[in-house]
Amino acid sequence: GDSVTQMEGPVTLSEEAFLTINCTYTATGYPSLFWYVQYPGEGLQLLLKATKADDKGSNKGFEATYRKETTSFHLEKGSVQVSDSAVYFCALSPDRGSTLGRLYFGRGTQLTVWP
Amino acid sequence: EAQVTQNPRYLITVTGKKLTVTCSQNMNHEYMSWYRQDPGLGLRQIYYSMNVEVTDKGDVPEGYKVSRKEKRNFPLILESPSPNQTSLYFCASSPSTGYNSPLHFGNGTRLTVT
Repeated sequence: GDSVTQMEGPVTLSEEAFLTINCTYTATGYPSLFWYVQYPGEGLQLLLKATKADDKGSNKGFEATYRKETTSFHLEKGSVQVSDSAVYFCALSPDRGSTLGRLYFGRGTQLTVWP
Repeated sequence: EAQVTQNPRYLITVTGKKLTVTCSQNMNHEYMSWYRQDPGLGLRQIYYSMNVEVTDKGDVPEGYKVSRKEKRNFPLILESPSPNQTSLYFCASSPSTGYNSPLHFGNGTRLTVT
């Protein structure tokens, strides 16, 4: 069945360091892929998305490229800030030929950035 | 302000005592869904609704009920709560049922069942 696998956390970085959070997926057809972010005490917010192979989603300095050949959607940021400290979730919406119904999330990766 | 509102934010109850967690959105969204978040397991979908009077099971529907009588409301009902339902619950909505439509989340309800 459809699923998402994220790298285990927590991830701890110094300010201005480079960030990569790995995400791989298993799906039939052509899924859409998302990254959501959860700040302490809040619900999840959409960070970026990509709906077809080779698409690059970007927002707030974060980027992720939909790689069908490696079934991956890794999240990257060139220079993290303390305010980026949060939990990051990779998510998958199955085949674009279908409607939004089931949405599959990874287990989340806790990021802590120190000044 | 456009938002998804859940109530209560915190709830402590005892095994077997029926409870309802309310969820309301003011954005006229068609799609609504409930998730539970547990350490090491991420978010798991409980139920979702594509429109009024249309609901369907997610990954972990056992022990839960939902209803969608109006577009804006999507309550989560636990008829006989058990300790394994202690969790952080999130309601979410989406403007459409399109495959790439983003979710808008509430701030969560932390439930403890003793």
